Amino acid sequence: RKEVEQDPGPFNVPEGATVAFNCTYSNSASQSFFWYRQDCRKEPKLLMSVYSSGNEDGRFTAQLNRASQYISLLIRDSKLSDSATYLCVVTNAGNNRKLIWGLGTSLAVNP
Amino acid sequence: DTGVSQNPRHKITKRGQNVTFRCDPISEHNRLYWYRQTLGQGPEFLTYFQNEAQLEKSRLLSDRFSAERPKGSFSTLEIQRTEQGDSAMYLCASSAVAGFSEQYFGPGTRLTVT
Repeated sequence: RKEVEQDPGPFNVPEGATVAFNCTYSNSASQSFFWYRQDCRKEPKLLMSVYSSGNEDGRFTAQLNRASQYISLLIRDSKLSDSATYLCVVTNAGNNRKLIWGLGTSLAVNP
Repeated sequence: DTGVSQNPRHKITKRGQNVTFRCDPISEHNRLYWYRQTLGQGPEFLTYFQNEAQLEKSRLLSDRFSAERPKGSFSTLEIQRTEQGDSAMYLCASSAVAGFSEQYFGPGTRLTVT
């Protein structure tokens, strides 16, 4: 079983739609959680850290469920510019803060 | 620009040649990471430094790969006797020690081994 699992998609949605991605992680001791966004042939860019209480940044909302070991990302009122791959990332336990990456979920927002 | 920088951005080399990449992290960040990414995959961890100390190396990092961060600032990643399977994007990231340890990535060096 992979340490971080995501539905690869692709998700094809029209502009203005709401779309949600889920991610599960296997290590219950994982400490920090993030969503990164990656455009084709570009580097990953940090989208949001995910806090235990959940957090929102504009049209983006992230939730963490430690009991079920999953993380979600909700995008409201999706824009064409949201088209990208969304990568779920967790850190392992310990001090090295190594990031464990999912394979990403591909999103295409269509006009 | 105060972000992570990497150079070169692109490198084409023939099999068997040695290549070296450089990464300059965000100046106040103590931690520096190297990753490798191929199409359709998430980044694979290679190694990381805290200041000048190399604290972990992945099993992916064969004997042909070596990384240094001699003064705790910039880092180099060298690949000796390159193979076609080394073709990938090599990403560098940095983070502060404290806090949520968000990692910020450079633009990557795309290596093509012919």
